[in-house]
Formats: sequence, structure tokens, C-alpha cells
Amino acid sequence: DIQMTQSPSSLSTSVGDTVTITCRASQFISSYLNWYQHKPGQAPKLLIFGASSLQNGVPSRFSGSGSGTDFSLTISSLQPEDFAHYYCQQSFSAPPTFGQGTRLEIK
Amino acid sequence: QVQLVQSGSELKKPGASVNVSCKTSGYTFSYYTLAWVRQAPGQGLEWMGWINTKNGDPTFAQGFTGRFAFSLDTSVSTAYLQITSLKAEDTAVYYCARRAIAVGEFDYWGQGTLVAVSS
Repeated sequence: DIQMTQSPSSLSTSVGDTVTITCRASQFISSYLNWYQHKPGQAPKLLIFGASSLQNGVPSRFSGSGSGTDFSLTISSLQPEDFAHYYCQQSFSAPPTFGQGTRLEIK
Repeated sequence: QVQLVQSGSELKKPGASVNVSCKTSGYTFSYYTLAWVRQAPGQGLEWMGWINTKNGDPTFAQGFTGRFAFSLDTSVSTAYLQITSLKAEDTAVYYCARRAIAVGEFDYWGQGTLVAVSS
């Protein structure tokens, strides 16, 4: 199975800041990397698919980059509603695997 | 619009069984694979497996064989997760999710069903 390693595991930051979360795959996954936002009590929400494609309806302050094994999610000008958990997930090969998550919290 | 609506929370005793439903709407049911994802308390997201909605063929992740089953009722565009011989460690929120065609991302999710197992 492909292991996905996210960093950091948690991040304390402020409204208006820009943050970057990284995700590393244990083997080559091309651009088959997706990012999700998950808030307690809600369904996970797809933000980015194919490493850099923004899902319909997701604000443009979210962006993704990377290919191969190293990827990143950047959130510019953080808004109060952005404080949540974030997960990367590879869809290159079965089983699809998720990173362990990054908790983004308000400083 | 695409919607996946899951059944409500369940409280079960060890050894019992539970069925979780995922009713879909807003798209052609048989065009997209449906996945099941578990989130245990304090843990991340874990893929349990998926079901081919064209032919009903299930695929299970390691650790989700034996007591877990996926099924469909195509007449009502609904997928089901059944767990038998429940254990305390099955306590979790279970999500269904649609697997998109682009790169296999999970583009729409159900709201989650809490299954609590306690004596």
C-alpha cells in the first residue's frame, strides 16, 4: 500500500495568514493526489483533485501543487471558516490511502 | 444537485448487526462507484472498500473482510453497509462517498452515520 505522510500534524495560525500543508507519498503517484477539508460533524469536502485542480465552488484561496511524490496545499488569506482538518489522499492505486490529517486551529 | 443522504445514528450492543444506508440522488447511480470510509474516534479517514454500482461487485480493504458487506438497491439508488458481530472497536462514523471519474477522487460524501457499540 502507498503510505501518505502529511506535515505538520497541527498548525496554529491566524485569520489572514497563508499556510502550506505538505503531503509525501511513499512511491510515485503522478498527479493522483486529492485534498479534503473536514469539519467536526460534517461530511468531508473535496477541495483539490489531480494535485492542482480546484473543485467547483471551492474558493480560489485554496491551491494545490506537486507531482510524483511531493505535494502541497496552500491556503491564502485564511478565513474563519477554514479552520478544520485537512487530509491528502492518493488515488493512483488501490487501496486509496489518506494522510493522517492536519489540524488547522486558530492561534 | 448530487446528494448522498445516510441513515441516522445507531447504538448497538456487542454481537449485534447494523445496516447503514446511503441514498443517492441527482445523478445516474450506475455511473459511479460508491466507497465507504470509516473515521474512528480521534482518528483519520480510512477507506473500507467500494462497490461497483453497475454489477454490485464489492472490493474490501484489508481489515474489512468477513464481518463487512456492501450491497445495492438500484431501484432506489441506494447503497448499504452491513456490519455483523459488532465489536466495541467498530464504534466510528461511517461515510459513503462517490468516486469521481477524473482521477478517482471522492467528490461527494454522505453526512456520516455514527455507529456506537456498547454494552
